[in-house]
Amino acid sequence: EDQVTQSPEALRLQEGESSSLNCSYTVSGLRGLFWYRQDPGKGPEFLFTLYSAGEEKEKERLKATLTKKESFLHITAPKPEDSATYLCAVLSNYQLIWGAGTKLIIKP
Amino acid sequence: NAGVTQTPKFQVLKTGQSMTLQCAQDMNHNSMYWYRQDPGMGLRLIYYSASEGTTDKGEVPNGYNVSRLNKREFSLRLESAAPSQTSVYFCASSEPRELFFGEGSRLTVL
Repeated sequence: EDQVTQSPEALRLQEGESSSLNCSYTVSGLRGLFWYRQDPGKGPEFLFTLYSAGEEKEKERLKATLTKKESFLHITAPKPEDSATYLCAVLSNYQLIWGAGTKLIIKP
Repeated sequence: NAGVTQTPKFQVLKTGQSMTLQCAQDMNHNSMYWYRQDPGMGLRLIYYSASEGTTDKGEVPNGYNVSRLNKREFSLRLESAAPSQTSVYFCASSEPRELFFGEGSRLTVL
């Protein structure tokens, strides 16, 4: 069964404290892995797409990486405005499967 | 450029009542989607429309109907609301490989 699992469910960091969020997946035929950011009361907003193992994408303090079994969203020196829920989604052969998300809180 | 617009943002229904969630996009996208988001779960696809005039069931279609009115508009109807349909509903439209979401409609069924 295709499955996407995100960990941890919630992560509290001090401003400037770097860390990583994990998205592990088991799917038949990976066609793409997506990261989205969701602010409270808003819809998800697209961040990155990764297509193959070894690929990396960067945007400001965020860097996404992909292996054959998981993806990491690394956040370097985060700021309070990086606080949000980060969602991972995997496109298998015919469907898009979403993880439950990691809620990231950055304390000043 | 408004993107994806959903109405209403909040709604409270009694069990058995009906209602329609409206969605419109101004990005000229062919594909549109309705998702529901529940605590502790990933987004789940209710229905999608690959193009004007076509609709298909997603993962959790029971209790819902949809209408793709034209290229811009895709509505979701609950014919007889149940407490299990209490959720946040998101409409989305897509370019290849990127979804654009509305701000969501929070529905409570009592």
